[in-house]
Amino acid sequence: GAVVSQHPSRVICKSGTSVKIECRSLDFQATTMFWYRQFPKKSLMLMATSNEGSKATYEQGVEKDKFLINHASLTLSTLTVTSAHPEDSSFYICSFAPASTNEKLFFGSGTQLSVL
Amino acid sequence: DQQVKQNSPSLSVQEGRISILNCDYTNSMFDYFLWYKKYPAEGPTFLISISSIKDKNEDGRFTVFLNKSAKHLSLHIVPSQPGDSAVYFCAGSGGGATNKLIFGTGTLLAVQP
Repeated sequence: GAVVSQHPSRVICKSGTSVKIECRSLDFQATTMFWYRQFPKKSLMLMATSNEGSKATYEQGVEKDKFLINHASLTLSTLTVTSAHPEDSSFYICSFAPASTNEKLFFGSGTQLSVL
Repeated sequence: DQQVKQNSPSLSVQEGRISILNCDYTNSMFDYFLWYKKYPAEGPTFLISISSIKDKNEDGRFTVFLNKSAKHLSLHIVPSQPGDSAVYFCAGSGGGATNKLIFGTGTLLAVQP
């Protein structure tokens, strides 16, 4: 089955630092990607949608200058949390829409970010 | 505005019995609905989906029912197994199954041996 690799799985950082999360599809290409985050005991909330080669579209309330998304290729996307603060602590999950099928999205394993 | 709601935060069933997880939505533009299973600190795993033009889709032990007039869908798992214990999210999409998904709040299913 399709595999999405997401790294790191867990990161702890000091307030004010930047953190980069990488998401890579291992056996398929995707023109569209989504980034979600989940706070404890809450639902998965869509942060942004990105298409390869173009700027990401952010959901209302998500700061584009804080959460930088780079959809570098059909198999790689990164999310950088800039100047992280404790309120950014959350579980971040990427998702790819495969170009070869329209049946479902594939999700990464998630990154637990803890900002001290 | 919570477009997708799962009103039961948790559900406990006995092994071998049927699990029924419910989901309500408000957005009439959704044309696809999906169910995902999720363990803590892991990404969601796809279970089953249904197009809005259908009212039922079955895959092994999993069946999803859609009632468009009531804006309600449900996931039936039968027979339930202890390995099914997880959080189940329903999600709606307005542009096919691979468009952005709007997730419900999740239901924690516990299957007791």
